[in-house]
Amino acid sequence: DTGVSQNPRHKITKRGQNVTFRCDPISEHNRLYWYRQTLGQGPEFLTYFQNEAQLEKSRLLSDRFSAERPKGSFSTLEIQRTEQGDSAMYLCASVKPYGYTFGSGTRLTVV
Amino acid sequence: QQPVQSPQAVILREGEDAVINCSSSKALYSVHWYRQKHGEAPVFLMILLKGGEQKGHDKISASFNEKKQQSSLYLTASQLSYSGTYFCGTETLSNDYKLSFGAGTTVTVRA
Repeated sequence: DTGVSQNPRHKITKRGQNVTFRCDPISEHNRLYWYRQTLGQGPEFLTYFQNEAQLEKSRLLSDRFSAERPKGSFSTLEIQRTEQGDSAMYLCASVKPYGYTFGSGTRLTVV
Repeated sequence: QQPVQSPQAVILREGEDAVINCSSSKALYSVHWYRQKHGEAPVFLMILLKGGEQKGHDKISASFNEKKQQSSLYLTASQLSYSGTYFCGTETLSNDYKLSFGAGTTVTVRA
C-alpha cells in the first residue's frame, strides 16, 4: 500500500488561469473520488470514477471543472478560468474494502 | 444532504471521555468516521454498516442507530493524539461509497 499521491501540494494562481491537479490512487483500487474542502468545513463530493468511467458529478462541478481518469489509473482535475471561490483544498481518495484513503490534497489559492 | 454533527468543539483533559454525535435526515447505508489533524488529510477511523457490522479502529468505538439515522463516536480515556477534527461521513445508497460529510467536531486534548 503506497498510499494516494496528489500533486502539486500547493498551487497559487491568478484569477482566470487554468489549473490541473493530479491524483495517483492506490494501484489495486478501482474507485477514485474527488472532494473539495474549504476552511472549517467537511469535504464536499465532486465526482467519482470506477476504473476509467466517470459515474457521477456533483452540482458543485460547474462546466469549468473537468475530471478524467484515462485507462483507470491516475486522475486529473482541471479547473478552467479559476475564480476566487475555487480556493480550497482538493482531496482525492481511493476506496479500500472499507473506508477511504485520502491523499494529502492540493491546496489551491486563487488571487 | 449534509449530516449534522454535535458538539462543534470539545476540550478534554487526558484520560477523559467524550461523545460526538452525527445525525442524518436520510436513511443511511453506512456511517464513516474520520479524523483530520491540522494541515493533513482526513484519516479513516471506522465504518459502521447497516445491519451492525463495524470495521475500524481498535481504541475508538462507535454506534449506529439505523432507525434514527444517528451515529455516535466514543472517545474513551482520551490521549493527546486524539486531538483533531472528527468528521462523520454518511452513505445513503449501498455500494457507491459517495459520502456526505458533516461540518466536523474539533477535539482538543490537554495534558
